Amino acid sequence: GENVEQHPSTLSVQEGDSAVIKCTYSDSASNYFPWYKQELGKRPQLIIDIRSNVGEKKDQRIAVTLNKTAKHFSLHITETQPEDSAVYFCAAITGGSYIPTFGRGTSLIVHP
Amino acid sequence: KAGVTQTPRYLIKTRGQQVTLSCSPISGHRSVSWYQQTPGQGLQFLFEYFSETQRNKGNFPGRFSGRQFSNSRSEMNVSTLELGDSALYLCASSLRAGGFTDTQYFGPGTRLTVL
Repeated sequence: GENVEQHPSTLSVQEGDSAVIKCTYSDSASNYFPWYKQELGKRPQLIIDIRSNVGEKKDQRIAVTLNKTAKHFSLHITETQPEDSAVYFCAAITGGSYIPTFGRGTSLIVHP
Repeated sequence: KAGVTQTPRYLIKTRGQQVTLSCSPISGHRSVSWYQQTPGQGLQFLFEYFSETQRNKGNFPGRFSGRQFSNSRSEMNVSTLELGDSALYLCASSLRAGGFTDTQYFGPGTRLTVL
């Protein structure tokens, strides 16, 4: 089955810096890659997603890039703010099965 | 629109018991997926229901089961509880089947503790 590895597990940055979280996947048939943000004690929320026919997608300070050849995708957050502090999860979904496999999460800490 | 709701929010059970969790999706959403979240294993997919039919199932034992009603509300049942079943159980709803390629909206979760 699919295997998703996410790095780093913890990321500490200063306010205003950029943050990058990377996920690698194993199943070349995976074609949909969402990113979720989960604040402490709250539910996960979709923040951005990308499909396999697109290389990059941007939404204000957040962007996701996908390299299908290398089988990895990354979340980029620019001009980080303290409210960006949360756990971020990536996922990979294989088109045929629609079963999502999640990364283990990255705890992002933004220091004011 | 009201968001996804889950009941109960907290539950304490003992080993060997069974438990039923409930999820009410956003009005109009027909797909409901269930997930287990633990510190050790992270977020794992349990199953997805659409139009009262289970469409996909993750790698969990048969003690984990679910169903969906005609109003799209879904229940998840865990029988013969084990200590390792202690987790946050999340459900998520989306408009269409194969739910994960649609935007999923998560509920607040049910925190299950097995003693």
